[in-house]
Amino acid sequence: GAVVSQHPSWVICKSGTSVKIECRSLDFQATTMFWYRQFPKQSLMLMATSNEGSKATYEQGVEKDKFLINHASLTLSTLTVTSAHPEDSSFYICSAPSATGGEQYFGPGTRLTVT
Amino acid sequence: QKEVEQNSGPLSVPEGAIASLNCTYSDRGSQSFFWYRQYSGKSPELIMSIYSNGDKEDGRFTAQLNKASQYVSLLIRDSQPSDSATYLCAVNIKAGYSTLTFGKGTMLLVSP
Repeated sequence: GAVVSQHPSWVICKSGTSVKIECRSLDFQATTMFWYRQFPKQSLMLMATSNEGSKATYEQGVEKDKFLINHASLTLSTLTVTSAHPEDSSFYICSAPSATGGEQYFGPGTRLTVT
Repeated sequence: QKEVEQNSGPLSVPEGAIASLNCTYSDRGSQSFFWYRQYSGKSPELIMSIYSNGDKEDGRFTAQLNKASQYVSLLIRDSQPSDSATYLCAVNIKAGYSTLTFGKGTMLLVSP
């Protein structure tokens, strides 16, 4: 199956700083990638759809100025959490759809802790 | 509002039993259906996809789809303790790069 990587796997940052998370499709190209957030014992929440060469599409309630998404190439999307606060502490997961469409392949996730 | 409903569980079964996980969806136009397994602290892993009515078997897993009833299920035969995880049902309404709508997941506990 398709492989999606994320970096870093975990990060601790101080309140007010920014953190960048990378999502890469390793063996296939992805014009679209998805970013999810998951709080403990809760389900996945779609934050935004990242589109190569164009602006990301954000879900209702997600601040686009706080969660900056850049889909710089067909294999890389980045999520930058700006001015992080403790309430941003969560598990951030990216995914990319398969070449045939339909199923999504998930990266291993990034656990963010803001102190 | 497109919804995917799952019983949150936990569903507890003894080792060797059949675990049955259920999911209903609200959008009658949905076309693709997926089951993901998520271990605690890990990201979801795709275990089954199904696109047409009927059963689809893969090893110990069988996915069942009934579009008329808007119902999809996952059966796990010979359940093992390593199957203990949260199982997420996901649906998209058209083929291609469409957004998936996820259920909240059902926690499965398999006791030795």
